[in-house]
Amino acid sequence: TQLLEQSPQFLSIQEGENLTVYCNSSSVFSSLQWYRQEPGEGPVLLVTVVTGGEVKKLKRLTFQFGDARKDSSLHITAAQPGDTGLYLCAGWKSYNTDKLIFGTGTRLQVFP
Amino acid sequence: NAGVTQTPKFQVLKTGQSMTLQCAQDMNHNSMYWYRQDPGMGLRLIYYSASEGTTDKGEVPNGYNVSRLNKREFSLRLESAAPSQTSVYFCAIHTGTGDEKLFFGSGTQLSVL
Repeated sequence: TQLLEQSPQFLSIQEGENLTVYCNSSSVFSSLQWYRQEPGEGPVLLVTVVTGGEVKKLKRLTFQFGDARKDSSLHITAAQPGDTGLYLCAGWKSYNTDKLIFGTGTRLQVFP
Repeated sequence: NAGVTQTPKFQVLKTGQSMTLQCAQDMNHNSMYWYRQDPGMGLRLIYYSASEGTTDKGEVPNGYNVSRLNKREFSLRLESAAPSQTSVYFCAIHTGTGDEKLFFGSGTQLSVL
């Protein structure tokens, strides 16, 4: 059983559309991170959210941490083909900051 | 992915064979990790090492052993490979306090027939 569940698992959209990816857990995390992974490469950090309710923006990407620090969302406005990739949420457990637990992943395909 | 080097990049094994995946970093960080990535499963933590000489189990340690003989290197060993261990394996380092992120190598694609 995965500690962090992401939805949807797959997303295929046209350029210019908006989308939201969800990352949910029954556990509390000290912080949550979002990574993006390109084929043949390791994941690369996009953002870290630390405070419950926190919202961070990275150009067209908006990240939110749930008030109870159990969930997070990633919203992309006007998606572009360059946004294509695997998006992974990951949480540092509150009681053990040496372990980073990853979500199940959302594979995004943006068509021109 | 400069800073974390994984070898080999690709490997095919027969069931029951053994092999060691190598990971080396030149960024002088304490914590190192091994993850496996399967379709629809994200990344799952196999083992991690908070410092030289220490190792701890992650989510899926069965069938694997690790060794952290020095600060720079963290190896993952499959003593008797099974088809269920077919996966992409990633080594990562924790960049530490104030910059809490994992920095990954480019992965090892392992197939067990």
